[in-house]
Amino acid sequence: DQQVKQNSPSLSVQEGRISILNCDYTNSMFDYFLWYKKYPAEGPTFLISISSIKDKNEDGRFTVFLNKSAKHLSLHIVPSQPGDSAVYFCAARSGAGSYQLTFGKGTKLSVIP
Amino acid sequence: DAGVIQSPRHEVTEMGQEVTLRCKPISGHNSLFWYRQTMMRGLELLIYFNNNVPIDDSGMPEDRFSAKMPNASFSTLKIQPSEPRDSAVYFCASSLVQDQPQHFGDGTRLSIL
Repeated sequence: DQQVKQNSPSLSVQEGRISILNCDYTNSMFDYFLWYKKYPAEGPTFLISISSIKDKNEDGRFTVFLNKSAKHLSLHIVPSQPGDSAVYFCAARSGAGSYQLTFGKGTKLSVIP
Repeated sequence: DAGVIQSPRHEVTEMGQEVTLRCKPISGHNSLFWYRQTMMRGLELLIYFNNNVPIDDSGMPEDRFSAKMPNASFSTLKIQPSEPRDSAVYFCASSLVQDQPQHFGDGTRLSIL
């Protein structure tokens, strides 16, 4: 059973608009969440993270929102750029000091010029 | 700074052959991870090393899989004998300490015929 779900396999957005990528989780023990970005033929690259003690974290054009009661997080990219076209993976872990990441299967974002 | 380096990038071999995948982690990182990515199961952790010592190999699918880390700058993942169902992309990742964001290599795409 998937503990981290990214229900949209793909998403298309116009350049300059907002991209919203969603992620749901089932394990209430998860307390730290990460987003990774992956280009074809490359490895995933860490993008942004959020601890469960927060509900929002921003880094430039990227903002992650966490709704613990709904077990849902989202990544907002504003404004979207063609270079943002990639597969985005949501990942989660439980416990301070934990190394074990559980990944979603990814959402492919296409930003159309 | 050099990232995580994996070799080979692509490997095609026949069923029954031995396959060895190699990884050089980022210098100074004490945690090393091997992952496998498939369409069906996504990214799965195979094994985790801390300071060159295998800590968690619960994700290694079968005894045909083995991993070593003889020193802080080199790790191998070996499959012997290989089977078609082992075809996947194998990623190596490292982190400064176990709960810091993991940095991934570009992966080895393995095809077993």
